[in-house]
Amino acid sequence: NAGVTQTPKFRILKIGQSMTLQCTQDMNHNYMYWYRQDPGMGLKLIYYSVGAGITDKGEVPNGYNVSRSTTEDFPLRLELAAPSQTSVYFCASSYSAGGRDIQYFGAGTRLSVL
Amino acid sequence: KQEVTQIPAALSVPEGENLVLNCSFTDSAIYNLQWFRQDPGKGLTSLLLIQSSQREQTSGRLNASLDKSSGRSTLYIAASQPGDSATYLCAARGGRGSTLGRLYFGRGTQLTVWP
Repeated sequence: NAGVTQTPKFRILKIGQSMTLQCTQDMNHNYMYWYRQDPGMGLKLIYYSVGAGITDKGEVPNGYNVSRSTTEDFPLRLELAAPSQTSVYFCASSYSAGGRDIQYFGAGTRLSVL
Repeated sequence: KQEVTQIPAALSVPEGENLVLNCSFTDSAIYNLQWFRQDPGKGLTSLLLIQSSQREQTSGRLNASLDKSSGRSTLYIAASQPGDSATYLCAARGGRGSTLGRLYFGRGTQLTVWP
């Protein structure tokens, strides 16, 4: 049972480059989320999706884009990478957003923008 | 906007001690309060989830309490072990308006249990 899988695990980008962080889940969850975690800080929500074809902004969406063409996949796109986007990125999924629902997290992607 | 604070930021204790980790939140209109464990280089693992209508939840040596009216939750770890060493994060799930359904995380308590 793979759960939530993120690729790559590590990446170094130059300023202005673009990349896509991949996230896939095999639990048939409707809800998927992208968070970033800066050193010594809590996680902040970037974007989330309530189902295929539906996405919405979180707290810190600037500089990122998402799409959700299937239930399983929720890629996060960085356009024109900036040093401020150096962070650890976590993808999560849950069956719903209800009060009893637990989010399951991937292992993270560590991104450095130099 | 929901703000979540965790105290202390770091804790180092000998094996066998009973521990208390604190979490406070500014908006009491929450759906639930969750405690997560994060190991270095790993993702988050959910430990306990307390519904807004509940006072506490227990799992093995872990017990989490919730006082929604005062905006506080506490995670108790009994008889700590070196394997408990990790960062513990609490997250409040928003219960109204623009916070509805979203998780708001604290910065975490980094716990070290030495033999």
